[in-house]
Amino acid sequence: SQQGEEDPQALSIQEGENATMNCSYKTSINNLQWYRQNSGRGLVHLILIRSNEREKHSGRLRVTLDTSKKSSSLLITASRAADTASYFCATSKPSNFGNEKLTFGTGTRLTIIP
Amino acid sequence: NAGVTQTPKFQVLKTGQSMTLQCAQDMNHNSMYWYRQDPGMGLRLIYYSASEGTTDKGEVPNGYNVSRLNKREFSLRLESAAPSQTSVYFCATGHLYLYNEQFFGPGTRLTVL
Repeated sequence: SQQGEEDPQALSIQEGENATMNCSYKTSINNLQWYRQNSGRGLVHLILIRSNEREKHSGRLRVTLDTSKKSSSLLITASRAADTASYFCATSKPSNFGNEKLTFGTGTRLTIIP
Repeated sequence: NAGVTQTPKFQVLKTGQSMTLQCAQDMNHNSMYWYRQDPGMGLRLIYYSASEGTTDKGEVPNGYNVSRLNKREFSLRLESAAPSQTSVYFCATGHLYLYNEQFFGPGTRLTVL
């Protein structure tokens, strides 16, 4: 079963606008990661946020994590045509060994309109 | 460095045929994974290998077998392909017992007729 659920499933915005997508999950996590997938390609890691962090930045990306609500958001600022892709959240649960294998959500399809 | 490579890129099989998907990494990672991606389903874990010499089932292992040949190579075998195994297959590597950021191969698009 999917641990993460992204919202919305699809999003279209004008180039230059900000894009926000959300991820909700069900159980306690060690960390939450966001990945990008361009059409016909493999996934590329974007950013990781640990369970004891609330916000993290990387370039035009801003990720927040609210463990009380079991949710995360990914904000892409000043969007570009090259940001057109699918975005997935993935969670890693605690285990006796450290991190469990990742569980991926169903993704948000982002389209940037030039 | 090539990163994570997968062969073949495309494959068409008839029901009942067998085949092996190959994955190799030069990133010196301990853990390797096989996922399948179906429309609207995200990625689902088939099998993984936390380290050389170990393999474990993921969420959807039925109909598949794996071999961790060495630290670099992790293969996925379909013994008797079924139309339900039509999918895009991704291999990934990472460090299961660290942060587990994963690095993905380009994928194999498999069609079973």
